[in-house]
Amino acid sequence: GDSVTQMEGPVTLSEEAFLTINCTYTATGYPSLFWYVQYPGEGLQLLLKATKADDKGSNKGFEATYRKETTSFHLEKGSVQVSDSAVYFCALGLYNNNDMRFGAGTRLTVKP
Amino acid sequence: EPEVTQTPSHQVTQMGQEVILRCVPISNHLYFYWYRQILGQKVEFLVSFYNNEISEKSEIFDDQFSVERPDGSNFTLKIRSTKLEDSAMYFCASSETSGRPSYEQYFGPGTRLTVT
Repeated sequence: GDSVTQMEGPVTLSEEAFLTINCTYTATGYPSLFWYVQYPGEGLQLLLKATKADDKGSNKGFEATYRKETTSFHLEKGSVQVSDSAVYFCALGLYNNNDMRFGAGTRLTVKP
Repeated sequence: EPEVTQTPSHQVTQMGQEVILRCVPISNHLYFYWYRQILGQKVEFLVSFYNNEISEKSEIFDDQFSVERPDGSNFTLKIRSTKLEDSAMYFCASSETSGRPSYEQYFGPGTRLTVT
């Protein structure tokens, strides 16, 4: 079935380090892809999205490119900050479905 | 900026009791959703709702669950007889449209349900 697999954490980085969180998907149709972020004690916030192959979503220094050939949507940031510490969820949404499919989440901790 | 709100933020209940979780979706949105997240696990879809009826539901959404839009603004999730395994964070979401590639769901802050 349609699903998302993302790198499980936890991931611990020092401030200003480079971040990659891997995400791959399986879908029968043409999904839209999303990254959501969950800060401690808060709900899910949309971080970025891409709706078709080769689209790049970006926000707050984070980027992810929709790669149809590798069915991937890896999240990257060139220089993380302590304030980026959160849980990151990759998700897909399908054209003909109402529900979103989420990955298991990756906990990122950035140390000063 | 418009946002989805949920009340209460934390609900503690005893096993077997009924609970109602409340959500106010974004005002011009037409599609409403409930998800849950058991502690440390992935976010799971429960149900979607459109035009005053359920449009999709997952296997988790059994007869113990029901949803309702009692008025023009609220969207509720009722659990009839709570079980210990219902303890989770419940997220409400809404979207302006559905069924097109760029639809986006806006999530509320969640209600943490603890069943004792």
